[in-house]
Amino acid sequence: GESVGLHLPTLSVQEGDNSIINCAYSNSASDYFIWYKQESGKGPQFIIDIRSNMDKRQGQRVTVLLNKTVKHLSLQIAATQPGDSAVYFCAENPLGEKLVFGKGTKLTVNP
Amino acid sequence: DAGITQSPRHKVTETGTPVTLRCHQTENHRYMYWYRQDPGHGLRLIHYSYGVKDTDKGEVSDGYSVSRSKTEDFLLTLESATSSQTSVYFCAISESVGTNEKLFFGSGTQLSVL
Repeated sequence: GESVGLHLPTLSVQEGDNSIINCAYSNSASDYFIWYKQESGKGPQFIIDIRSNMDKRQGQRVTVLLNKTVKHLSLQIAATQPGDSAVYFCAENPLGEKLVFGKGTKLTVNP
Repeated sequence: DAGITQSPRHKVTETGTPVTLRCHQTENHRYMYWYRQDPGHGLRLIHYSYGVKDTDKGEVSDGYSVSRSKTEDFLLTLESATSSQTSVYFCAISESVGTNEKLFFGSGTQLSVL
């Protein structure tokens, strides 16, 4: 089975609110993590990444938090907009191995 | 989509026929991948390539073959398509492998095998 999972398969938020999407991983050898966004009918789009020597990384309106103690990854989206509606999934990269992808969380932004 | 072109974008074929999907990149990235995406399974790796004429199997390689004769092109072939191969196929590229494996994806090919 997959070592990367998600706590919630769907998330619905109001426009303007902050969104938090969670991801659990099981491989302690993973040293690199990525969040992807996939809109309907499109390919996964790279959002942000983080290495295991960091616990937080910020991008434009997005922040990724990494808690290695509990093997947990989260993606925070500030001031969520309708254009943020998509499926978000995380991926972990165990050292020397291929990326392992989670199944995804569908984010719906309500106007 | 990061200079990646997949063709065709949509294809309907019959069971038992051969099918070839093409991925073309303009980024000159060394590593290329083919994934399939199915509901409930997420992205699963079919085959990948470390360079020209250097390919390896992924976790779901049965029934598929690949070829890479040029850096920019990576072909996925279904020798005899089956209904279980109905899926969305994504090509991806990266500059590194094994660590910091940041993948960029194409727009996908929707394949239906009837």
